[in-house]
Amino acid sequence: AQSVTQLGSHVSVSEGALVLLRCNYSSSVPPYLFWYVQYPNQGLQLLLKYTSAATLVKGINGFEAEFKKSETSFHLTKPSAHMSDAAEYFCAVSEGDYKLSFGAGTTVTVRA
Amino acid sequence: EPEVTQTPSHQVTQMGQEVILRCVPISNHLYFYWYRQILGQKVEFLVSFYNNEISEKSEIFDDQFSVERPDGSNFTLKIRSTKLEDSAMYFCASKVELAGNNEQFFGPGTRLTVL
Repeated sequence: AQSVTQLGSHVSVSEGALVLLRCNYSSSVPPYLFWYVQYPNQGLQLLLKYTSAATLVKGINGFEAEFKKSETSFHLTKPSAHMSDAAEYFCAVSEGDYKLSFGAGTTVTVRA
Repeated sequence: EPEVTQTPSHQVTQMGQEVILRCVPISNHLYFYWYRQILGQKVEFLVSFYNNEISEKSEIFDDQFSVERPDGSNFTLKIRSTKLEDSAMYFCASKVELAGNNEQFFGPGTRLTVL
């Protein structure tokens, strides 16, 4: 069965600082991995996805994530936080072209 | 840019009442999903729908729930007799039929409040 664990329900960073959101997955087959962002009162927007091509994936808004099979991880990073990055971030896994299983989410706050 | 739309944005209902949540997926997409997010909890899969039938459903999706694609554009989720614990944000999602690309596009959600 597939599952995702996001370490840290809340992350607070200063504007301009590194953003690091941790995600570890469990999957019985090579997974597809996703990061979604949810702004207040809005839906889920895809930031980036890993579908077995390059292990370093670049997404929108300057975010990137690296798939590490040996560590079963797919951590999300952004070198320099912006105030507009304040949102909730969800890591998700799927075993092929099927349902997504989401993590519990990490809320990011950005301090001026 | 095409997007998934959902109506209503907020639905308030009394316990025991039936509700229908509506979604218009992106027009060339063939796979449709419903997920829900109870306040403060993770997003959970409910059901997937392809070729006019349910392809997968979770244990949450019991006999009180049903889905339908009544015409070429709408995709609905019906809850027959709502319970307090059905209060949640319900997200519709869709994707193209393309093997190796499970990118699902999500709508803005319908917040269901059961009183």
